[in-house]
Amino acid sequence: EIVLTQSPATLSLSPGERATLSCRASQSVNSYLAWYQQKPGQAPRLLIYDASKRATGIPARFSGSGSGTDFTLTISSLEPEDFAIYYCQQRNNWPITFGQGARLEIE
Amino acid sequence: EVQLVESGGGLVKPGGSLRLSCAASGFTFSGYNMNWVRQAPGKGLEWVASIASYSTYIYYADSVKGRFTISRDNAKNSLFLEINSLRAEDTAVYSCARDSRNSYAYFDYWGQGTLVTVSS
Repeated sequence: EIVLTQSPATLSLSPGERATLSCRASQSVNSYLAWYQQKPGQAPRLLIYDASKRATGIPARFSGSGSGTDFTLTISSLEPEDFAIYYCQQRNNWPITFGQGARLEIE
Repeated sequence: EVQLVESGGGLVKPGGSLRLSCAASGFTFSGYNMNWVRQAPGKGLEWVASIASYSTYIYYADSVKGRFTISRDNAKNSLFLEINSLRAEDTAVYSCARDSRNSYAYFDYWGQGTLVTVSS
């Protein structure tokens, strides 16, 4: 099973700042990695798939990069609605696995 | 509009069983692979099972293999999860999720989930 480790666990920033979240895989997942955003009481929302492709309707301030074992989700300029929990997920190998989540909170 | 609505959750004793359902609408159900993902209270996301559009493949997480069965009825636009031999650690909100139209095994639409509580 591929283990995904997200860092930092919590990131405290202010609106307008740049956010960088990391996801490291225990073995290569090629580029088969996605990022999701989840707000309290809501279902997750697919943001990025195949490491760097934005899902339908996702604002351009969200970008993904990386391949192999190291991946990054960047939010270029935080909006108030971006404060949430973010998960990475790999589909390179079964079983599908998620990272443990990273909380982006308002400083 | 794509909609996924789960039902069938509830309080069940350890060792008990439940059958969860997911009613899909707003898209051609038979054209998409489907999945179950769970989230224990206050915890992260855990993938549970996946089934191909015409059931040509089925995969399970090791934690549920042999106890859970995923199935679908394309004529009724429905996805199911039969869960048996329930344990306390199975307590979670169970959500169905559709594979992305752009790539398989990413999830672009999710239901709100149905809560399964395992307790004596």
